Amino acid sequence: GAGVSQSPSNKVTEKGKDVELRCDPISGHTALYWYRQSLGQGLEFLIYFQGNSAPDKSGLPSDRFSAERTGGSVSTLTIQRTQQEDSAVYLCASSLDFRTGGYGYTFGSGTRLTVV
Amino acid sequence: GQQLNQSPQSMFIQEGEDVSMNCTSSSIFNTWLWYKQDPGEGPVLLIALYKAGELTSNGRLTAQFGITRKDSFLNISASIPSDVGIYFCAGQRLENYGQNFVFGPGTRLSVLP
Repeated sequence: GAGVSQSPSNKVTEKGKDVELRCDPISGHTALYWYRQSLGQGLEFLIYFQGNSAPDKSGLPSDRFSAERTGGSVSTLTIQRTQQEDSAVYLCASSLDFRTGGYGYTFGSGTRLTVV
Repeated sequence: GQQLNQSPQSMFIQEGEDVSMNCTSSSIFNTWLWYKQDPGEGPVLLIALYKAGELTSNGRLTAQFGITRKDSFLNISASIPSDVGIYFCAGQRLENYGQNFVFGPGTRLSVLP
């Protein structure tokens, strides 16, 4: 697609439920990144993919968080047993490959997750 | 861990004024990026810097890669209402090449008419 697409744009869920957040990167972009932005805060790195592989998972806050990418395209970030502190905007970004990531990413508009 | 500090945290200026903000770190970075985020949107890349001392402009925006490689500066000249938003710096260290960028907490800019 023309840009990075994220869905849903807004998600309200009850504490303890699982949620799936989807990111559709720019067509042909092999590198994909997930960040989290809490209210009034900066961007917290979660995980990145080069192709379908995630070389660094150290940014994931807990084992309730997981992410996968299939076919080198769409990625899903899953949060199990959601907690109120998981409420944030989850941003996805992509770049042509890991080298051109150094020229900056293209971000999606984010998914605003609210856990009640 | 790697951390970036941005100052000021927020600023209120009159339309037409010039704006200066900076980003500092205790670590050396080999790439600096500046992004702007509008409400409800993802950050958009403004300027990228790759060399110590580099000065790069994009319209009314000018950014510099600090000589020490531990800081970067962004200036906006003759501010206009659409400059309102959050400005983030992001840095990447050479050993993290090809990995993620570290983002600062942002500077929130408000422009008064």
